[in-house]
Amino acid sequence: NAGVMQNPRHLVRRRGQEARLRCSPMKGHSHVYWYRQLPEEGLKFMVYLQKENIIDESGMPKERFSAEFPKEGPSILRIQQVVRGDSAAYFCASSLQVVSSYNEQFFGPGTRLTVL
Amino acid sequence: AQSVTQPDIHITVSEGASLELRCNYSYGATPYLFWYVQSPGQGLQLLLKYFSGDTLVQGIKGFEAEFKRSQSSFNLRKPSVHWSDAAEYFCAVGAGSGNTPLVFGKGTRLSVIA
Repeated sequence: NAGVMQNPRHLVRRRGQEARLRCSPMKGHSHVYWYRQLPEEGLKFMVYLQKENIIDESGMPKERFSAEFPKEGPSILRIQQVVRGDSAAYFCASSLQVVSSYNEQFFGPGTRLTVL
Repeated sequence: AQSVTQPDIHITVSEGASLELRCNYSYGATPYLFWYVQSPGQGLQLLLKYFSGDTLVQGIKGFEAEFKRSQSSFNLRKPSVHWSDAAEYFCAVGAGSGNTPLVFGKGTRLSVIA
């Protein structure tokens, strides 16, 4: 069973360009989370999605950032008009839905975004 | 809202020495607690987790952690450190149940010297 997959692993963009980060959850997982790790910082939650629904986007910047998790295909984190401050590692995690307990999140290897 | 504090930004230990990494959390109810390890340029690997029951939990790579409710702590320990343990260690808390997002501490960087 393959783990959480993210691509690209490294992405370089110039200021003002768009960045698209992809995340394929583990097989059978219907929940996806995006976290951002700034240099010398821990991971900060951005957004939590189920298939075709955004459940919690309280950690997402209000402008330029969007996320989706379509019925078919990977989850996409999109950053429009990137700025140097967007340079970070972006991690995706996925989990099952089990009502009775807390569901462990499995993390992907991350996408390291560099904005020139 | 929950929060996690890892008081030590950087710790250096000698190979073979014991290790304790501190983690304090803030949450009103019983939390779900996790320790992750991150090697340079890599993703996160789960070392261990606490959901309920025995407050001393065993993890992979010889790590263990103890949940102390009275101190709101979940410290990570290893009796004998190996050079390959050098990495960044993150404590995280999950609140409620189901699928709530994790809240991470800022991490502790572990260096191992000969």
